[in-house]
Amino acid sequence: DQQVKQNSPSLSVQEGRISILNCDYTNSMFDYFLWYKKYPAEGPTFLISISSIKDKNEDGRFTVFLNKSAKHLSLHIVPSQPGDSAVYFCAANSDTGRRALTFGSGTRLQVQP
Amino acid sequence: GAVVSQHPSWVICKSGTSVKIECRSLDFQATTMFWYRQFPKQSLMLMATSNEGSKATYEQGVEKDKFLINHASLTLSTLTVTSAHPEDSSFYICSARDREKLFFGSGTQLSVL
Repeated sequence: DQQVKQNSPSLSVQEGRISILNCDYTNSMFDYFLWYKKYPAEGPTFLISISSIKDKNEDGRFTVFLNKSAKHLSLHIVPSQPGDSAVYFCAANSDTGRRALTFGSGTRLQVQP
Repeated sequence: GAVVSQHPSWVICKSGTSVKIECRSLDFQATTMFWYRQFPKQSLMLMATSNEGSKATYEQGVEKDKFLINHASLTLSTLTVTSAHPEDSSFYICSARDREKLFFGSGTQLSVL
């Protein structure tokens, strides 16, 4: 049972435009959500997170939106840059971060120059 | 940000040999570390939770006798793949928690011939 789902395996966007990566979850106990960026043969790099008490968190070009009623979150990257091309993983956990993360399957973002 | 160091970054070994992977938190103490495995084009799957000074907690389907975890200090956890076989070839990633965020090592690509 996949508790965190990223239904789009890939996304292609033009440089300068907005990239929107989506993530859905099924476990209502999740209360903390994170986005990681990963290059091939490297470990994931933390990007941005959001607690379930918020519906938006912004950090520079990255904004994460959380819709608890829909059990949906999204990552917006504006403006997109070629260096943003990577695989993005959505992750979630419960118990205020004391547990391990549950990851989605990832979305490969390609930003075209 | 917090730094997690993982070594080696890649290893090739013969079937039947054992391989040890080290994970160190460099600027913080981690009572809990997590070991993940990622097969090509798949998500990161949690293998086990490593607890300092006590036995590791393994996820369902992960053989504890095959994947030995030792967490002898607050900054070091090791994963030993015993009697490795070609099906154990994968990308192994450790992570450690600093407050509510998880930081990841750079990963170890294991290839078993």
